[in-house]
Amino acid sequence: DIQLSQSPSSVSASVGDTVTITCRASQNIRNFLNWYQQKPGKAPEILIFAASGLQSGVPSRFSGSGSGTDFTLSISSLQPEDFALYFCQQTFSVPWTFGRGTKVDTK
Amino acid sequence: QVLLQESGPGLVKPSETLYLTCTVFGDSLNRGSHYWTWIRQPAGQGLEWIGRIFTSGSTNYNPSLKSRVTISADTSESQFSLELNSVTAADTAVYYCARDNALSHDIMTGGGYYAMDVWGQGTTVTVSS
Repeated sequence: DIQLSQSPSSVSASVGDTVTITCRASQNIRNFLNWYQQKPGKAPEILIFAASGLQSGVPSRFSGSGSGTDFTLSISSLQPEDFALYFCQQTFSVPWTFGRGTKVDTK
Repeated sequence: QVLLQESGPGLVKPSETLYLTCTVFGDSLNRGSHYWTWIRQPAGQGLEWIGRIFTSGSTNYNPSLKSRVTISADTSESQFSLELNSVTAADTAVYYCARDNALSHDIMTGGGYYAMDVWGQGTTVTVSS
């Protein structure tokens, strides 16, 4: 199975900050990497697909980059509704696997 | 609007079989570009992909669960189901069904860039006697 290492596990930030989360794959997954946001008690929601594709309806302050083994999710001008848990996921090979998650909370 | 809704017992005894059903509203299980997927999340932990079923009926399972899992579909009822046998406390989790959709395609290979773009609200399953 492909392992995904996400960092940091948590980050404290303020409204208006830029937050960057990284995800490293245990092997080359080209750009088969997705990012999800999850709020307490809710199902995850897709933000970014194929490493940099912005899902319809997702604000443009979310952006993704990277290829191969190293990927980044950036949230610019953090909004109150962005405090949540973020996961990366690879869809290069089955079984799909997820990172352990990054919690973005209030500083 | 596509909606998914999980249903099934919230409590299962150890060694018994967990049965969950996901009903799909607003989409067809026969649509060729979708997989229908089960994922679970133990309390306070990360996400684990359980497996998926394609329109043809073909399935993929997580090797860590493969010997205990069966995913099936009833297209006439617009439902797909999860069976997990010989459950233990380690199977206690929130179980989600989701649509695994090709949101774009790889220019070189034509392969799909899949992502879970529609999720159910999740159902909590506790394994306890």
